[in-house]
Amino acid sequence: DAGVTQSPTHLIKTRGQHVTLRCSPISGHKSVSWYQQVLGQGPQFIFQYYEKEERGRGNFPDRFSARQFPNYSSELNVNALLLGDSALYLCASSLGLGMANTEAFFGQGTRLTVV
Amino acid sequence: AQKVTQAQTEISVVEKEDVTLDCVYETRDTTYYLFWYKQPPSGELVFLIRRNSFDEQNEISGRYSWNFQKSTSSFNFTITASQVVDSAVYFCALRDNAGNMLTFGGGTRLMVKP
Repeated sequence: DAGVTQSPTHLIKTRGQHVTLRCSPISGHKSVSWYQQVLGQGPQFIFQYYEKEERGRGNFPDRFSARQFPNYSSELNVNALLLGDSALYLCASSLGLGMANTEAFFGQGTRLTVV
Repeated sequence: AQKVTQAQTEISVVEKEDVTLDCVYETRDTTYYLFWYKQPPSGELVFLIRRNSFDEQNEISGRYSWNFQKSTSSFNFTITASQVVDSAVYFCALRDNAGNMLTFGGGTRLMVKP
């Protein structure tokens, strides 16, 4: 079975532009979460979606948005890019919410560089 | 608010040495879940272990072992007889019972030299 897949793997954008990152969860997983990992730091939670609804949001500005599709894949959108948005964006999938014996499985990430 | 602290930012050992990575957490939840992930240079976070707050049994998996102590809010990770392939950044993380988000520590970079 395929793991969590993210595209693209690398991306270079200019300040002020918009970017869309994509994630396909593991088959059967209905929850997708997004994390931002700035170089040298731990991942920071951005969003969680479950059954196409937003179930959690981290402390990120409104320039960040996301959605989940009927096939449970997800997109993360960032508008008006800033230099500080340069980071590794990680997508994680899990079976569902509040399930005791489950863990999040991560994709390889999208490395975004804003110049 | 939840918080995870990994005080060791970087550890360097020689192959075959044992090494322990420390993790201290803060939470007001009575039910929570603790995790360790490994991040090799490729960037993907690899799941290593999950521990539930109501299960304080320590666990061993091959060369890996974990020591969960609720009294000190710690969840330490020991690698026995380290190998070069163990070189990576290791993250400790905490998840609440609602399952909405993982709170990560800052990570510990482990370098194992031959």
